[in-house]
Amino acid sequence: GEDVEQSLFLSVREGDSSVINCTYTDSSSTYLYWYKQEPGAGLQLLTYIFSNMDMKQDQRLTVLLNKKDKHLSLRIADTQTGDSAIYFCAESYNGGSQGNLIFGKGTKLSVKP
Amino acid sequence: DTGVSQDPRHKITKRGQNVTFRCDPISEHNRLYWYRQTLGQGPEFLTYFQNEAQLEKSRLLSDRFSAERPKGSFSTLEIQRTEQGDSAMYLCASSRGLAGGTLEQYFGPGTRLTVT
Repeated sequence: GEDVEQSLFLSVREGDSSVINCTYTDSSSTYLYWYKQEPGAGLQLLTYIFSNMDMKQDQRLTVLLNKKDKHLSLRIADTQTGDSAIYFCAESYNGGSQGNLIFGKGTKLSVKP
Repeated sequence: DTGVSQDPRHKITKRGQNVTFRCDPISEHNRLYWYRQTLGQGPEFLTYFQNEAQLEKSRLLSDRFSAERPKGSFSTLEIQRTEQGDSAMYLCASSRGLAGGTLEQYFGPGTRLTVT
């Protein structure tokens, strides 16, 4: 079945770059997403990438997609303490026609000052 | 545009009681989704609506759960005869429904349910 895997923890120093990795299994996924969740809050959509793209950049965020290896990464440049949160990778099920998302378990990013 | 709102934010109930949650989507969004999130996990899909039609239900949605979206605007999720295993954060999301999809889903703050 469909599955999304992420490493559970990442710790970086303020000002460094963070790279959060994700692997997925559904080769028919049309869109892949990154969401951010702060404690006790809902999910904030950070960015998404269409499956025919290799890279997408949005300010401090860079998404890389390796469709052959089914590997997605999110790079946060100049990481700040406010970036501390849980980051979820998600793929769209049924190639995006239905739209319900399959999420990983999340990567907890800790940013040390 | 005030985003997706959910009510209540927190609910504590005794096992066996019924609970109902409400979600108000972003006004121009015709798709509405319900997810459940337990501690340490990512959200899991429960069901979704296109306008007032409930188009898909996950096998996680037992027959104690029912969701409605009567006028294609707000939605309610009811859990009957709650069990301790129902304790979770219930998240609502909305999106535009575009042919060929997507579908940027915007999430509400969630309703945290605790069943004692």
